[in-house]
Amino acid sequence: EAQVTQNPRYLITVTGKKLTVTCSQNMNHEYMSWYRQDPGLGLRQIYYSMNVEVTDKGDVPEGYKVSRKEKRNFPLILESPSPNQTSLYFCASSLVFGGSGSYEQYFGPGTRLTVT
Amino acid sequence: GQNIDQPTEMTATEGAIVQINCTYQTSGFNGLFWYQQHAGEAPTFLSYNVLDGLEEKGRFSSFLSRSKGYSYLLLKELQMKDSASYLCAVHSWGKLQFGAGTQVVVTP
Repeated sequence: EAQVTQNPRYLITVTGKKLTVTCSQNMNHEYMSWYRQDPGLGLRQIYYSMNVEVTDKGDVPEGYKVSRKEKRNFPLILESPSPNQTSLYFCASSLVFGGSGSYEQYFGPGTRLTVT
Repeated sequence: GQNIDQPTEMTATEGAIVQINCTYQTSGFNGLFWYQQHAGEAPTFLSYNVLDGLEEKGRFSSFLSRSKGYSYLLLKELQMKDSASYLCAVHSWGKLQFGAGTQVVVTP
């Protein structure tokens, strides 16, 4: 089944404790992206990757890191989480992003993170 | 930067038509997405407009005017399952910026 998976789905952690949220897609998609969703603010892009070893900042990259060492995986790293990073996080992937091709972006199920 | 505006909430009756407007001001533009998001779920893709004009896909249609910085999503023959949040998003060279979403409430 074609899908984007995220782990964990729920996480409660404490300020300063490094964590990684994994994202994996099995559709051989080139484009992957991370978003956070907060009430009243909508979805905001954190980082995106057009292909392996190519990553770029979205609108709210501060406090986050990403890597794209292989096509299928795009982990989100919070080196020192803070309470303002409490949010719902979505990973998404798309076949291509630019030129001709499918722009349909598939979203993972979301990770609800609480930082106390 | 980019500014994307859409109404916060709209209410319509089952079987009716609703038009959700989205206006944007952007420093770069490749296209505009519409997504549907039910409460507690991930967004799902509805449409992507690159060129001006109307694109129809079943009960849903999306319109784009690049010169006016304006798009709308038209939902026809509303069904109860269409109650959801509808998100417009501007695509600019791999970056996506979303509006805050429009909550559509369909009443019997």
